[in-house]
Amino acid sequence: AQKITQTQPGMFVQEKEAVTLDCTYDTSDPSYGLFWYKQPSSGEMIFLIYQGSYDQQNATEGRYSLNFQKARKSANLVISASQLGDSAMYFCAMREAYNTDKLIFGTGTRLQVFP
Amino acid sequence: KAGVTQTPRYLIKTRGQQVTLSCSPISGHRSVSWYQQTPGQGLQFLFEYFSETQRNKGNFPGRFSGRQFSNSRSEMNVSTLELGDSALYLCASSLEPGETEAFFGQGTRLTVV
Repeated sequence: AQKITQTQPGMFVQEKEAVTLDCTYDTSDPSYGLFWYKQPSSGEMIFLIYQGSYDQQNATEGRYSLNFQKARKSANLVISASQLGDSAMYFCAMREAYNTDKLIFGTGTRLQVFP
Repeated sequence: KAGVTQTPRYLIKTRGQQVTLSCSPISGHRSVSWYQQTPGQGLQFLFEYFSETQRNKGNFPGRFSGRQFSNSRSEMNVSTLELGDSALYLCASSLEPGETEAFFGQGTRLTVV
């Protein structure tokens, strides 16, 4: 069965530093998509970045990049130049097929950015 | 353009009652999915709808049901509420199933007392 594992319940980072949030996944399906979402205290899930299983290059979106290591089944999120507004819960998620919107989420990592 | 709108934002219900939550997707989006978020179970998939058809259903009891209308708006219903149904219910929409980005609403926070 598909599964997402986030082993870091909480992370601290100083403003302007880079931080890596870990995510490993398990699936037997060769076609899948990996997502990262940010959830501030308001509750809304904000899309950050997407990586398809067949994508050759690591995805990047502004200060966010996804370190995709397919053989290790890991999809770590790297946030460069952290800002105070980055403090939030971060969820890694997997879509198990390409023609569905059903996502399987990890347990999340709470990131706190301090001055 | 307007984002995903979920109503109401907050709701308090008594055990045994039923509740209906509404989700209006982004204009033009035809795929809607629902999730339940609780401190104990995390984020769990409830349903997925596209063109008024339920395409996927998560592992929830039959008390949880949903539907999608011709204008893509979706509702979910929970009957015979239990204390454990207290959660943040999130709705997401996309143009079609499998899009790389699904946009979430701010959720409906349901408290069952």
